[in-house]
Amino acid sequence: QKEVEQNSGPLSVPEGAIASLNCTYSDRGSQSFFWYRQYSGKSPELIMFIYSNGDKEDGRFTAQLNKASQYVSLLIRDSQPSDSATYLCAVNCSNNDMRFGAGTRLTVKP
Amino acid sequence: DTEVTQTPKHLVMGMTNKKSLKCEQHMGHRAMYWYKQKAKKPPELMFVYSYEKLSINESVPSRFSPECPNSSLLNLHLHALQPEDSALYLCASSQETGEVRSPLHFGNGTRLTVT
Repeated sequence: QKEVEQNSGPLSVPEGAIASLNCTYSDRGSQSFFWYRQYSGKSPELIMFIYSNGDKEDGRFTAQLNKASQYVSLLIRDSQPSDSATYLCAVNCSNNDMRFGAGTRLTVKP
Repeated sequence: DTEVTQTPKHLVMGMTNKKSLKCEQHMGHRAMYWYKQKAKKPPELMFVYSYEKLSINESVPSRFSPECPNSSLLNLHLHALQPEDSALYLCASSQETGEVRSPLHFGNGTRLTVT
């Protein structure tokens, strides 16, 4: 079983819609969760991080964490074409390794 | 602009060459990382330095040799690489490596091609 799993997509949404990205993880001891955005040929950039169960909002982005279900998600409201990128879920495992999911490729169509 | 600086941006080397990748951060972070990323794949952890000591080595071949001269600098020495080692090499830093981990800050990466 992979440690961090994401649907690889591609996920396509129209401009202005809500994009929903999902991630599950296997290490129940994990306490830190991150979403990174990566444009083609560029390095990952941090979008959100979350440590506690529930929702965390930052502008158009909302991260949701459910430790009981070992599930973390990212919602992007009012999606823009510039949001088109690969979104990487990262989880800090109990052995202090930061593990990445395979990434979900998002396309926002004008 | 990223606060983690990597040089060079691009590197082409032959299989018999010796080269080094360099990474520098001035955020006061005490943990530094090397990741390898192949096209359309997620970053794969190679090495972690915590307080200038190697804390994680993910069974990386000995042709990759990390070095942490001080808390701001991280090098990756390359020798006798194979064409399959061609990838984007990412350096990252974070405040610490505790269970509640602060985010990684990535550099822009070095695009390595081994011929």
